[in-house]
Amino acid sequence: DAMVIQNPRYQVTQFGKPVTLSCSQTLNHNVMYWYQQKSSQAPKLLFHYYDKDFNNEADTPDNFQSRRPNTSFCFLDIRSPGLGDAAMYLCATSREASGLDEQFFGPGTRLTVL
Amino acid sequence: RKEVEQDPGPFNVPEGATVAFNCTYSNSASQSFFWYRQDCRKEPKLLMSVYSSGNEDGRFTAQLNRASQYISLLIRDSKLSDSATYLCVVNMGLTGGGNKLTFGTGTQLKVEL
Repeated sequence: DAMVIQNPRYQVTQFGKPVTLSCSQTLNHNVMYWYQQKSSQAPKLLFHYYDKDFNNEADTPDNFQSRRPNTSFCFLDIRSPGLGDAAMYLCATSREASGLDEQFFGPGTRLTVL
Repeated sequence: RKEVEQDPGPFNVPEGATVAFNCTYSNSASQSFFWYRQDCRKEPKLLMSVYSSGNEDGRFTAQLNRASQYISLLIRDSKLSDSATYLCVVNMGLTGGGNKLTFGTGTQLKVEL
């Protein structure tokens, strides 16, 4: 049973055309994360929500925004995608803030920018 | 200096071989440590947590040396299905809640017949 679901799995957009990626979870976890992973690179944390509290990484571009309307859903909005934003976007969840908490990843959305 | 450093490989080993991966991290305040496995074009999945005393899960053994800021993963009796990228992951925690996982770029393992 899927626990962290991402839609769509593949997204193609045009340069500058806004795009929204979706993540939902059935785990009832408090924390949701968005990562960007470019080819042959490590996943890089963009931001996370602890419940309704939004926490942005210092080096996340303003072009990236997020919404969490409820516990189950979290969205990544890219306002004006550039060619450099083509990547795999991974959503993850964790139950709490414990340092030993496992993060559960969704299958990712692969974004192509034309 | 990168926060988490790994040899990218690839490590090409024959089936049945023992292989070891190393990882160093820069932040001495790091709280917890993990090895994740990532198959090609798939999401990372937790392989095992790494504890100070060292821990073993079947063919996999993880070690942590806090003094040297060094983590290792040993895979014994390699299987073809072990072929993947192994990500060293360090958790530094986040004020306000949540975990900040910092990933290494991964070490690629290819197990061959």
